[in-house]
Amino acid sequence: GQNIDQPTEMTATEGAIVQINCTYQTSGFNGLFWYQQHAGEAPTFLSYNVLDGLEEKGRFSSFLSRSKGYSYLLLKELQMKDSASYLCASTDSNYQLIWGAGTKLIIKP
Amino acid sequence: GAVVSQHPSRVICKSGTSVKIECRSLDFQATTMFWYRQFPKQSLMLMATSNEGSKATYEQGVEKDKFLINHASLTLSTLTVTSAHPEDSSFYICSARPSGNSGSDYNEQFFGPGTRLTVL
Repeated sequence: GQNIDQPTEMTATEGAIVQINCTYQTSGFNGLFWYQQHAGEAPTFLSYNVLDGLEEKGRFSSFLSRSKGYSYLLLKELQMKDSASYLCASTDSNYQLIWGAGTKLIIKP
Repeated sequence: GAVVSQHPSRVICKSGTSVKIECRSLDFQATTMFWYRQFPKQSLMLMATSNEGSKATYEQGVEKDKFLINHASLTLSTLTVTSAHPEDSSFYICSARPSGNSGSDYNEQFFGPGTRLTVL
């Protein structure tokens, strides 16, 4: 079957680091995306992992372990503008996106 | 980067009317476009996959006669919500996958800004 799990909500402090986890069960797995979505807006692309390991891109990093069906998004030096929902999405053998429900990240001063 | 536009960005209509939403890839060709619906505080729900020149593939539970999809060119897909009712009020988002991205290639979808539909 196809299944994506991520926490519903997380809270962090401005300037801190937060890790958002995502576990997946996807037939014919072909990579995993992380998207950021602010309220009332469309998702914006953050990262794509298809091989195991850590991909770093500025303040954001994404990690993938295919054997464990596990990924995380790491956000460093948190800013208030990082308050948003973070969507994890895997791709199946047809390259169709399977979406998680999203993690609402609340940043406090 | 690749840009996808949607028109209109917001529409308010009376119950029973039909609404057409356009999705355009502005600087690339897209053989495949996707239509999503998102209710408040919920994740994206794929409605249908639109392939240029062929019939759309609808997800289970999505009425193809109510949500008409046309993908007549490599840069344009339209979604028509026919006889809209208040329960159709939602945020409709399209995405486009550049032609040629397949197999082990980077298969990112580029999202439009979304259309907020309110049916009174």
